[in-house]
Amino acid sequence: GQQLNQSPQSMFIQEGEDVSMNCTSSSIFNTWLWYKQDPGEGPVLLIALYKAGELTSNGRLTAQFGITRKDSFLNISASIPSDVGIYFCAGQPTGTASKLTFGTGTRLQVTL
Amino acid sequence: DGGITQSPKYLFRKEGQNVTLSCEQNLNHDAMYWYRQDPGQGLRLIYYSQIVNDFQKGDIAEGYSVSREKKESFPLTVTSAQKNPTAFYLCASSPGTSGARSAQFFGPGTRLTVL
Repeated sequence: GQQLNQSPQSMFIQEGEDVSMNCTSSSIFNTWLWYKQDPGEGPVLLIALYKAGELTSNGRLTAQFGITRKDSFLNISASIPSDVGIYFCAGQPTGTASKLTFGTGTRLQVTL
Repeated sequence: DGGITQSPKYLFRKEGQNVTLSCEQNLNHDAMYWYRQDPGQGLRLIYYSQIVNDFQKGDIAEGYSVSREKKESFPLTVTSAQKNPTAFYLCASSPGTSGARSAQFFGPGTRLTVL
């Protein structure tokens, strides 16, 4: 199955720094979702985007649905140690009702 | 307290044995899904069900079987035909299958180890 290109694969940042990650696809997507997964747990939905150009915030997290509908971005402001984890993007390509395509994940580590 | 439950959290089985993983949701969601996650990997879709009494194969269905006899339940059986069953299994559900109803919510996962 298809997977999204998610970057960076991993990042080490200091507490208080801002973080940016993105997902790109060769296909047009109707929906973009961002999840966070802690070790040994299921992914938790952070932000859902349904319209091109949409910008949505959830606390210190902000995500955008790219204008081309082929990409999405997630920003985390003023990172804290509990932001550590793996962040996955997921999207629903046009014409593929019910199935999501997942990114390969960005592993975030925050140092004090 | 609505959510998705998976049991057990950890499961050990001998090679050659079938094993069934439980997934229950009380969110009144129509669609349910099973994914497999290997270390350092993304999620791969095994089976999904858009409605009761109906299900479709995902990308890696070989060696697995499912049933959807009730809206709230979607058990996954890992059969002896699955060549490499040791993995972290995640169940998810969504209100529907398109647009705003397509957002999937995940259970806590079951880690299966085949000895």
